[in-house]
Amino acid sequence: GQNIDQPTEMTATEGAIVQINCTYQTSGFNGLFWYQQHAGEAPTFLSYNVLDGLEEKGRFSSFLSRSKGYSYLLLKELQMKDSASYLCAVMDSNYQLIWGAGTKLIIKP
Amino acid sequence: GAVVSQHPSWVICKSGTSVKIECRSLDFQATTMFWYRQFPKQSLMLMATSNEGSKATYEQGVEKDKFLINHASLTLSTLTVTSAHPEDSSFYICSARDQSTSGSFSYEQYFGPGTRLTVT
Repeated sequence: GQNIDQPTEMTATEGAIVQINCTYQTSGFNGLFWYQQHAGEAPTFLSYNVLDGLEEKGRFSSFLSRSKGYSYLLLKELQMKDSASYLCAVMDSNYQLIWGAGTKLIIKP
Repeated sequence: GAVVSQHPSWVICKSGTSVKIECRSLDFQATTMFWYRQFPKQSLMLMATSNEGSKATYEQGVEKDKFLINHASLTLSTLTVTSAHPEDSSFYICSARDQSTSGSFSYEQYFGPGTRLTVT
């Protein structure tokens, strides 16, 4: 079966760095997405990785290792507004998105 | 970036009535749209894939006669929850692909703001 695993909840301090991990087992791979979702709102796109390595975009970076079925989202200089759920999703061989359950990130002052 | 709208943003209805939710791609054409449902503190659950001009493809366990999907144009898909019951109360989100872009990135999904349905 297809499976996406990520931690349920993480807590970090304002100004610090946090890494959210995602491991996956899917039938085929056509890229991995990270989305941010604030409570009561729809997800918004953060990043897309299809090749191994690190993609940096401002305070957010995303890393992918296809051989390990592993990705992480790195958030630097955390701000209170970063408190949200972060969803990892993998596009399988049928170009369907397989979603993780999301990681709720709590930022404390 | 591409914008997807949903209407209504929230709706309260009585048990047994039907509710229609609209999903529109505002500045691009979307031959494929997706309908998701999300219960509190849970991840997105794909309900169906809506293809313009053809029947929707429903995920296992989703009743196609209860959740009617119509993708009549390249910018509009509708989801009708028929004979709604309290257990249908949820956050319904649509997304669309902008297939005018090239390469693998054309598979990025743009999400609407969601519709919160409460059935009393």
